[in-house]
Amino acid sequence: EDQVTQSPEALRLQEGESSSLNCSYTVSGLRGLFWYRQDPGKGPEFLFTLYSAGEEKEKERLKATLTKKESFLHITAPKPEDSATYLCAVQDGGFKTIFGAGTRLFVKA
Amino acid sequence: GAGVSQSPRYKVAKRGQDVALRCDPISGHVSLFWYQQALGQGPEFLTYFQNEAQLDKSGLPSDRFFAERPEGSVSTLKIQRTQQEDSAVYLCASSSAVGGGTGELFFGEGSRLTVL
Repeated sequence: EDQVTQSPEALRLQEGESSSLNCSYTVSGLRGLFWYRQDPGKGPEFLFTLYSAGEEKEKERLKATLTKKESFLHITAPKPEDSATYLCAVQDGGFKTIFGAGTRLFVKA
Repeated sequence: GAGVSQSPRYKVAKRGQDVALRCDPISGHVSLFWYQQALGQGPEFLTYFQNEAQLDKSGLPSDRFFAERPEGSVSTLKIQRTQQEDSAVYLCASSSAVGGGTGELFFGEGSRLTVL
């Protein structure tokens, strides 16, 4: 069964304290791995798509990496405005995008 | 419009009532998805439309849930005889890629359903 597991469930950082979020996945026929950001009361907002092991993508203070079984979202020198829930998702050979439960990130000034 | 629009944003229903949730996707987007998000959880797939065709409804939890997209644009998710366990945020997403492809999904802000 396709599955996405994210850790930690919650992460509290001081402003400027870099860290990483983990996403472990099992899927038959990975077509893409996605990272989304979700703010309270809003829908998820797309950040990155990764297609194959070894691929990396960056956007401002965020960098996503992919291996055959995991993806990491690295946050460098975070700011309070980076506080949100970060969702990892995978798409299999069908129509479904399967989401993890998310990591809630809190960045304190 | 510029983004995916959902209405109502908030709906309170008494147990046993029928509800209808509307999604207006980004113009021209072929693919439309419905997801259910419980508090503190990630979105869970409900159903997928490619234009007006419902190609996957495997995530609908029971036959009380019904979705349609008759003209390949606006979609409605209907829940009959609501139960307390139906309380959740219902998210609609659209994509220009067929089957969602490996393209990004554009989500609306969701409809929060509370069943009393």
